[in-house]
Amino acid sequence: GNSVTQMEGPVTLSEEAFLTINCTYTATGYPSLFWYVQYPGEGLQLLLKATKADDKGSNKGFEATYRKETTSFHLEKGSVQVSDSAVYFCALRRDSGNTPLVFGKGTRLSVIA
Amino acid sequence: GAVVSQHPSRVICKSGTSVKIECRSLDFQATTMFWYRQFPKQSLMLMATSNEGSKATYEQGVEKDKFLINHASLTLSTLTVTSAHPEDSSFYICSASGGSRETQYFGPGTRLLVL
Repeated sequence: GNSVTQMEGPVTLSEEAFLTINCTYTATGYPSLFWYVQYPGEGLQLLLKATKADDKGSNKGFEATYRKETTSFHLEKGSVQVSDSAVYFCALRRDSGNTPLVFGKGTRLSVIA
Repeated sequence: GAVVSQHPSRVICKSGTSVKIECRSLDFQATTMFWYRQFPKQSLMLMATSNEGSKATYEQGVEKDKFLINHASLTLSTLTVTSAHPEDSSFYICSASGGSRETQYFGPGTRLLVL
């Protein structure tokens, strides 16, 4: 079946540090890949996505590249801010927008000043 | 981005009562809505998929008679937790997609506490 594995947190970084959150997936076919972010007390928001191999999704300084050969979609940011503190979820979707997402367990990031 | 609302945001109820949670897409027609459940420090687990005008499709292990889902219009889906028990306490999240919108948009979630 389809599944997503992401690194366990929590992750604590100092402001301006480099961030990597690992995500690997198992799926048949060619899924679309997503990173969602959940800020404290809020719902999930789409951070970035990639729909085919070698695509790079980017938003707000975050990047992730769809690597089919390693079945990975690691999230990176060069310099984190306190406002980036949140829970980050990696997810995949097999087909169109009308199919459900499969989520990883989430990684809690805390950035300290 | 699109807006999806949920109501109520938080509810506390007594064991044995039923609770209805509404999920609305405010600026697009949602042909499909999904209901997820999130336990503390856990991922989101899909409960069911509902398409407007048809019966919901439930995931394995989810009791359809306990978690009643209605998707009567293109902007509203409801989840009713019937005869709620303390183990039903959780964070319930809906998402919606439809039309030309490939992306799913998530509601802010409803925190249910059953005493």
